Amino acid sequence: DIQMTQSPSSLSASVGDRVTITCRASQTIRNYLAWFQQKPGKAPKFLIYDVSSLQSGVPSKFSGSGFGTDFTLTITSLQPEDFATYYCQQYNTYPYTFGQGTKLEIK
Amino acid sequence: EVQLVESGGGLVQPGGSLRLSCAASGFTFGSYEMNWVRQTPGKGLEWVSYISSSGYNIYQAPSVKGRFTVSRDNAKNSLYLRMNSLRAEDTAVYYCARGFGLTGRTFDYWGQGTLVTVSS
Repeated sequence: DIQMTQSPSSLSASVGDRVTITCRASQTIRNYLAWFQQKPGKAPKFLIYDVSSLQSGVPSKFSGSGFGTDFTLTITSLQPEDFATYYCQQYNTYPYTFGQGTKLEIK
Repeated sequence: EVQLVESGGGLVQPGGSLRLSCAASGFTFGSYEMNWVRQTPGKGLEWVSYISSSGYNIYQAPSVKGRFTVSRDNAKNSLYLRMNSLRAEDTAVYYCARGFGLTGRTFDYWGQGTLVTVSS
């Protein structure tokens, strides 16, 4: 299985900050990477697919980059509603695997 | 509006069986691949199974292969997960999720989830 490793596992930031979350795959996944946001007690929300394409309705403050094995999610101008847990997911190779999550907390 | 509503979760003893259902609405169900994804506090999110729009192609995670069976009824806009030989490690919230894009292997809409607890 392809292992997806996110860093950091948790992150404290302030409203208005810019943050970057990293996701590393144990082998190449080309550009088949998605990002999800999850709030407590809710289902994950689809943010980004194919590394950098924003899902419809997702604000442009979210952006993704990378190729192969190393990827990043950047969120600018943090607002209270952005504090959540973020997951990456590879869908290049069966079985499709997720990172362990990065919890973004208010400082 | 796309809606996915899971049901069928509950408490079951180890070795037991359970059938989850997912009722879909707000889109042409028969045109989309569908998936089951589960979440545990310890292991996080885990993809469980995929079924193509026709139901012809099915893929299962190694951890559930031979024990879980995904199926669908396009006439009823419904997705199912039959779970046999349940183990404590199958305890999780189970989500149905619509496949997105050409591959159908990432997920644009998710249900609210149904909790399965395997315990004696």
